[in-house]
Amino acid sequence: GEDVEQSLFLSVREGDSSVINCTYTDSSSTYLYWYKQEPGAGLQLLTYIFSNMDMKQDQRLTVLLNKKDKHLSLRIADTQTGDSAIYFCAEWGSQGNLIFGKGTKLSVKP
Amino acid sequence: DTEVTQTPKHLVMGMTNKKSLKCEQHMGHRAMYWYKQKAKKPPELMFVYSYEKLSINESVPSRFSPECPNSSLLNLHLHALQPEDSALYLCASSQDTGRVRSGANVLTFGAGSRLTVL
Repeated sequence: GEDVEQSLFLSVREGDSSVINCTYTDSSSTYLYWYKQEPGAGLQLLTYIFSNMDMKQDQRLTVLLNKKDKHLSLRIADTQTGDSAIYFCAEWGSQGNLIFGKGTKLSVKP
Repeated sequence: DTEVTQTPKHLVMGMTNKKSLKCEQHMGHRAMYWYKQKAKKPPELMFVYSYEKLSINESVPSRFSPECPNSSLLNLHLHALQPEDSALYLCASSQDTGRVRSGANVLTFGAGSRLTVL
């Protein structure tokens, strides 16, 4: 079945780069997404990448896609304490619903 | 307007109460969703409406009853809930459901309604 996997925790120091990884199963996915959720809040779309791209850069965010290995990563440059949150990767499933990974909790230490 | 608005932000109800959660979007999106999210877990899909018709019901108990009065509004009627139904309920919308694989079709979420069932 369709599945999205992520590591659950990542801890970095302020100013370092963070890399959050994700693997997915549906090779027909046309877009893959990264969402951020701060405590007590809804999910905020961070960025997305089209499946025919290898990389997308948006200010401090870089998304890398390895379609052969079905591997997606989100790099946050110069990580700040305000980046502390849970990050979900997601893809559309065949039933028309968005399938989320379990989420990676990013902790940024000053 | 690029927002999904949910009311109320917080709701406390007893197991015999009847209440409703409301969701509104004015982005012209034709698909609307209810998700349930427990602490430290990803959102779990409950219902999907496409063009105001229910297209997915993820085997949700009948004590949750969705309603889509028009293309901009989505309600979730709650009756005889259990304490384990306490969670963050998220509404979302997208241009179309994921069955239509054209364009980025971004899912936009509201801030959620925090429900506590006593």
